[in-house]
Amino acid sequence: KAGVTQTPRYLIKTRGQQVTLSCSPISGHRSVSWYQQTPGQGLQFLFEYFSETQRNKGNFPGRFSGRQFSNSRSEMNVSTLELGDSALYLCASSSQTNEQYFGPGTRLTVT
Amino acid sequence: KQEVTQIPAALSVPEGENLVLNCSFTDSAIYNLQWFRQDPGKGLTSLLLIQSSQREQTSGRLNASLDKSSGRSTLYIAASQPGDSATYLCAVRPMFSGGYNKLIFGAGTRLAVHP
Repeated sequence: KAGVTQTPRYLIKTRGQQVTLSCSPISGHRSVSWYQQTPGQGLQFLFEYFSETQRNKGNFPGRFSGRQFSNSRSEMNVSTLELGDSALYLCASSSQTNEQYFGPGTRLTVT
Repeated sequence: KQEVTQIPAALSVPEGENLVLNCSFTDSAIYNLQWFRQDPGKGLTSLLLIQSSQREQTSGRLNASLDKSSGRSTLYIAASQPGDSATYLCAVRPMFSGGYNKLIFGAGTRLAVHP
């Protein structure tokens, strides 16, 4: 079974731009969660989607948004990028036993 | 508010040693606890998942225990190898998350096993 995939793997953007990241969960997994990882804050939960509905959200500004499609693939969008948004963005899909499986991440650099 | 702490922050050992990594959490109301491994610049690899009703889980040279009442978990690595060098992360799924898949992570233990 293929693992969680994320595209693109690396991105460089400038301040003020927006960015869209994509995540494809493990086949059959309906829950997709997003996390931000930075050296200073560690791993922080962004939001979770299940059956195309956001059902949990972390403490991030409204510039961070996401969606999920009927095939469970998910996208997250960050608008008006700031330098502090530079991070590794990780996506995870959850099995029926709620074990979470992570993708390789997207490394976003904002200059 | 659930907080997860991992001790030590870093560990350097010679190959062959048995290791214990510690994780503590402030609120015992959790659904499960999961241990991950992260290699530099990479995603997380799930090592072990312990449901709240379980006391321990084993996989190969790894054994994880859970004591919910005291808010502690330990990851035991037997006969460490250089390939075990990585950051080990502990995460809990708190009940206050409403049963949804939100994990609260510790800062990790950075392990280096030298030949």
